[in-house]
Amino acid sequence: ETGVTQTPRHLVMGMTNKKSLKCEQHLGHNAMYWYKQSAKKPLELMFVYSLEERVENNSVPSRFSPECPNSSHLFLHLHTLQPEDSALYLCASSRLAVGNNEQFFGPGTRLTVL
Amino acid sequence: KNQVEQSPQSLIILEGKNCTLQCNYTVSPFSNLRWYKQDTGRGPVSLTIMTFSENTKSNGRYTATLDADTKQSSLHITASQLSDSASYICVVSGEGNNRLAFGKGNQVVVIP
Repeated sequence: ETGVTQTPRHLVMGMTNKKSLKCEQHLGHNAMYWYKQSAKKPLELMFVYSLEERVENNSVPSRFSPECPNSSHLFLHLHTLQPEDSALYLCASSRLAVGNNEQFFGPGTRLTVL
Repeated sequence: KNQVEQSPQSLIILEGKNCTLQCNYTVSPFSNLRWYKQDTGRGPVSLTIMTFSENTKSNGRYTATLDADTKQSSLHITASQLSDSASYICVVSGEGNNRLAFGKGNQVVVIP
């Protein structure tokens, strides 16, 4: 394992539900990321946090709301999602958000929206 | 058009055989290129990283090459094993930032 954990690993939710994805890194990194991975598409960067401050939001719909209470934890709050939001959501961390630091990925949360 | 293109999209190989995966990129200025392996149901794990001045790097049975002039990279798998069945993702980093350009991945299936 890479030192980045995600829960839950699988999630099925209706379009009116509210749920949250959790990510925790045990690597002492200062930057954390949310990615969306859909079938046959490259990973899409959603959000970047550096030292608990959001530094990038890649035009993600407001039904996705990130939260970074400290440098070790990252959440993705979900509400009123659409079926096309079904995907694997990956969390990653790196030592810094600048430079060419390797990103370490968690195992992902497989999300299905009914 | 995606900045990182990988081919073939998928391939099936017999256990014990070799295979080569290709990655072409347009990211400029270039900083480094990584190959990640992603097992089904898991997150990507880095296999190799190469910078501009490196042509070849090996990690066990995995050997990556880089031609920064033609902006091409390959990942060669030697004597494939069933555990090599995975998606192999080419990831390119531009100079001065940590924003990564991802390929769609090469899906490899090794059969006995």
